[in-house]
Order: sequence, then C-alpha cells, then structure tokens
Amino acid sequence: SAVISQKPSRDICQRGTSLTIQCQVDSQVTMMFWYRQQPGQSLTLIATANQGSEATYESGFVIDKFPISRPNLTFSTLTVSNMSPEDSSIYLCSGGGLSNTQYFGPGTRLTVL
Amino acid sequence: AQSVTQLGSHVSVSEGALVLLRCNYSSSVPPYLFWYVQYPNQGLQLLLKYTTGATLVKGINGFEAEFKKSETSFHLTKPSAHMSDAAEYFCAVFDSSASKIIFGSGTRLSIRP
Repeated sequence: SAVISQKPSRDICQRGTSLTIQCQVDSQVTMMFWYRQQPGQSLTLIATANQGSEATYESGFVIDKFPISRPNLTFSTLTVSNMSPEDSSIYLCSGGGLSNTQYFGPGTRLTVL
Repeated sequence: AQSVTQLGSHVSVSEGALVLLRCNYSSSVPPYLFWYVQYPNQGLQLLLKYTTGATLVKGINGFEAEFKKSETSFHLTKPSAHMSDAAEYFCAVFDSSASKIIFGSGTRLSIRP
C-alpha cells in the first residue's frame, strides 16, 4: 500500500486568488489522480497527473483553471486558479500502481469567500 | 465504458444487525472492483478489492464482498454492525480503457443504537 499526505489540510481563501495543494506519496507510484468532492457528493475526477508531461484533464476541467505538476513519481501539485465560491470543495489526490488500486490522501478542504 | 451503480443513497441498520450495501457494475471486460470507506472529515480508505481469483473477498473491519458475474454485482456485507461503521461507502470499478477508477454515488451508512 501507499501512504499519501496532502498540504494544506484546509484553507479559507478570497475570491480571485489561487491556492496550490501538494500531494506526497511515500513510495513511487505509477499513477496519480486529482479529484474534487463537493459536500455530500461522490468523487469527480479532475485529471490524471502524468510524470514529466502535461496532465490529462476530464471533460469540464481545463489546465488554465487547474494547472497540475508532477515532477517525479512521488509528488504532485494541483493549483486552483482565480478562485470563486463555486470552487469551495474537498480536493483529494490518489496514487497507485498498475494493479489499479488507488490510495487516497486525507483531502484539502477549501472554502472560498 | 465501465460504470457503477449503488442502490440506496442512505442505509440505516441497528447495531448488531446485518449490513448490506448494494453495488452493480457494467463492464465489457473482467472488472477490477473496489469498496472504499470515508469517515467524516477524512479521505477514502480501501476496504477491499476484487481483481481475479476467489469471488468472496474479505476486507478490513469485518467487511466482505462477493463478486457475482452473472448478476454483475459486488455487494458489501458485514454480519454485525458496529457504531464505528457509520460512514460513507463508495463502490468503484477500474476503467481499463481509460486507466482510471469510476466511483459510484456513495451510500451513507447510519447505525442505530
């Protein structure tokens, strides 16, 4: 299994600003993903973080709004840009191998005022 | 493409009673199936997974699930509910064509004293 940490655990931000969330895995993983979870809802996949190349975004999510970096096999960042109150949500990262099991971080709770 | 349906957004059982959370999937290939649990204000924790082999899979905290290909089901059970089982439960399938996990809408489990 993999242990995943995220920073920050929560934040309150002003509209129009940006927040970068960090995701660290305790071992090398093949695949890393970023999800959004709105209150009482299931997980929505934002993008697949690809090591050394541009992330693969799901429909409805764009790089300008959610730029993602993955410089190596254990670390990734997600930036939420030009935030609005609609971006208030929990952001989760996950990591795993080709066995397809994904392990999740504790999440970042974002509130935009 | 694969998909997952969880029947019942909310299930309530008495402490000591049987827990049954229902999950049906659609997949054109042998599926990889997962159950995750999310406790309040936490990330997702893997309960159990089915990849190949034995169709009855045992997980953590006394939970188990049975893969039934003929019924395209992967229901989660626990013989005797405990108050600490109160949480949100997500069924998921790995979409091999897209290399990502597809989550169900979730089932909130409540335990009555």
